[in-house]
Amino acid sequence: AQSVTQPDIHITVSEGASLELRCNYSYGATPYLFWYVQSPGQGLQLLLKYFSGDTLVQGIKGFEAEFKRSQSSFNLRKPSVHWSDAAEYFCAVGLLKAAGNKLTFGGGTRVLVKP
Amino acid sequence: DSGVTQTPKHLITATGQRVTLRCSPRSGDLSVYWYQQSLDQGLQFLIQYYNGEERAKGNILERFSAQQFPDLHSELNLSSLELGDSALYFCASSVAAQAYGYTFGSGTRLTVV
Repeated sequence: AQSVTQPDIHITVSEGASLELRCNYSYGATPYLFWYVQSPGQGLQLLLKYFSGDTLVQGIKGFEAEFKRSQSSFNLRKPSVHWSDAAEYFCAVGLLKAAGNKLTFGGGTRVLVKP
Repeated sequence: DSGVTQTPKHLITATGQRVTLRCSPRSGDLSVYWYQQSLDQGLQFLIQYYNGEERAKGNILERFSAQQFPDLHSELNLSSLELGDSALYFCASSVAAQAYGYTFGSGTRLTVV
């Protein structure tokens, strides 16, 4: 069964510093990969997605992610964090099947931004 | 505003009761997904509907059921509620049954007391 691991439950970063959130997946084939962000009391907003092609993917809000097949990883990065980036971030994997389309989510990483 | 509308935003009910959560997908989207987010289980896929038909089923309890109506809105029915059913329930939608990612609503927070 496919699984997604986000090793860091919490990360604290200073405003203006860089951020990297780790995501590892376990799956027999290359799944489709996503990063979502959830602000307090809000739903999940799609930051970026990877299906194929260029392994460095650009998303919204200045985020990017790099797919590394050899490491089964899809880490999210931002060069300079803003206070508004404080939120919970979820990595997700999906596999399109004739039967439907389900995403499997990691446990999330909560990001705290220090002034 | 993501375009996916969920009502109500908050719901407090007693154990043993039944509730209905409603979701209106984005305009043009035919597929609706339900997810449960709880502290101990994280985000769990419950069920997917496409154009009125069930497409995929996840960890949905027998006490829970869902349907998608001809106008494409969906309802998730939760019955014989237990304290452990307290969670955020999200609906998401996409254009196709097999879509590259989908759009989430802001969720319904269910509290069972």
